[in-house]
Order: sequence, then structure tokens, then C-alpha cells
Amino acid sequence: AQTVTQSQPEMSVQEAETVTLSCTYDTSENNYYLFWYKQPPSRQMILVIRQEAYKQQNATENRFSVNFQKAAKSFSLKISDSQLGDTAMYFCAFASQGGSEKLVFGKGTKLTVNP
Amino acid sequence: EAQVTQNPRYLITVTGKKLTVTCSQNMNHEYMSWYRQDPGLGLRQIYYSMNVEVTDKGDVPEGYKVSRKEKRNFPLILESPSPNQTSLYFCASSPIPGLGNQPQHFGDGTRLSIL
Repeated sequence: AQTVTQSQPEMSVQEAETVTLSCTYDTSENNYYLFWYKQPPSRQMILVIRQEAYKQQNATENRFSVNFQKAAKSFSLKISDSQLGDTAMYFCAFASQGGSEKLVFGKGTKLTVNP
Repeated sequence: EAQVTQNPRYLITVTGKKLTVTCSQNMNHEYMSWYRQDPGLGLRQIYYSMNVEVTDKGDVPEGYKVSRKEKRNFPLILESPSPNQTSLYFCASSPIPGLGNQPQHFGDGTRLSIL
């Protein structure tokens, strides 16, 4: 069974600075998908970024980018120019390509952006 | 507007009193799923449905039932709720099986408190 590990329960960063959230996962599959979801205090689950395992190029969405290291099974999220609105819980998640149709989530990292 | 709607948003009830949390999506999605979120545990899948009349257990199905009589609706039923089912619940849907290509849309969550 796949597992997702987020080793940083809480992090903080100053506004306008850069922060990196860590995620590692365990799978025997070769093709899969990885996601970062953001959950602000409103509790909504918002997809931040997605990475296909077969793509070597790291995904980027505006200020959010990932460092995907397939061999190391690592999928970190970098937030540049942090904003107060980035304060949220961040969840890393794994999905198989076909087969079991579920997202396996990490336990989350609580990020606080300080003014 | 494309959305997943859960009701109620909040519910406080007592042990043993049957309850249903409704979930409806207006995007004609085949796949629907229920998750529970608990502090320090992230989100865990309860049940999922690949299409009408097709449901399957996730990681934590004990104490829950679901049904999928119509494509748009996927209610979560707690026949005899217990305090350990106090949690934040999310319903999610996606267009087709194959989660990586079509990330899930989440509802806004239902906070259940079982006394």
C-alpha cells in the first residue's frame, strides 16, 4: 500500500520569503500522480499543483513549484514570495494511475506566513 | 457554477441517532468519494463510487454506509453514530476514473460532532 509522509507538522515563514514543504512517499508503481492541496481556515480543499510521475519536468503554477525526485520518492513544494493568504494546511497526496481510485494523503503541514 | 454541495455543514447529535450527510455534484462526474479528516491524520477515504450502483470500501469504512442511486448524489449514512466518528467530512467528485488526469473537486466539508 502506498504511504505519504510529511515530516514537518508546522512551519512558518516571513512574508515575501520562500519556503519549502517536504513530502516523501512510498510506492512500487512506476506511473502515478502527486498533488499538493491547500486547506485555508475556511476548510476548503484547493488543488495547488499536480505532477505526473512520467514527466521529468517539475510542475510550476505561478509562485508554487515542486521539486520532484522520482528515484528518491520525494515531492517538495516551494512557495516563493510568500503571502499572508498562503497561511493554510498543506497536504501532499498520491494517486495511482488507474486501478485503485483514491487519493492517499499525508498528515499535513501547517504553514503560517508572518507579516 | 460547478460545485460539490454537502449538507449539513455542521451537525451536533447524540450517540446512536441515525444521520445522513448528503452530497450532490452538478458536473455529471462518474467518480465520487467520501473522506474524513482528523487532526494529525490527514484525510482518509471512507467509501468511493465509480458510477451509479457501484460502490467500494476505502481505508476506514467501518460504521458508515453509502449509496449511489443517481449519478449526482452520494449520501453518507451513519446508522448508529458513535463519538469516534466525530470528524470533518469531505465529499469529492471527478469526471472519470483515472484520478491523476482529472483531480477531484471537493465539497466545503461537514463538521460532525457525536456526543
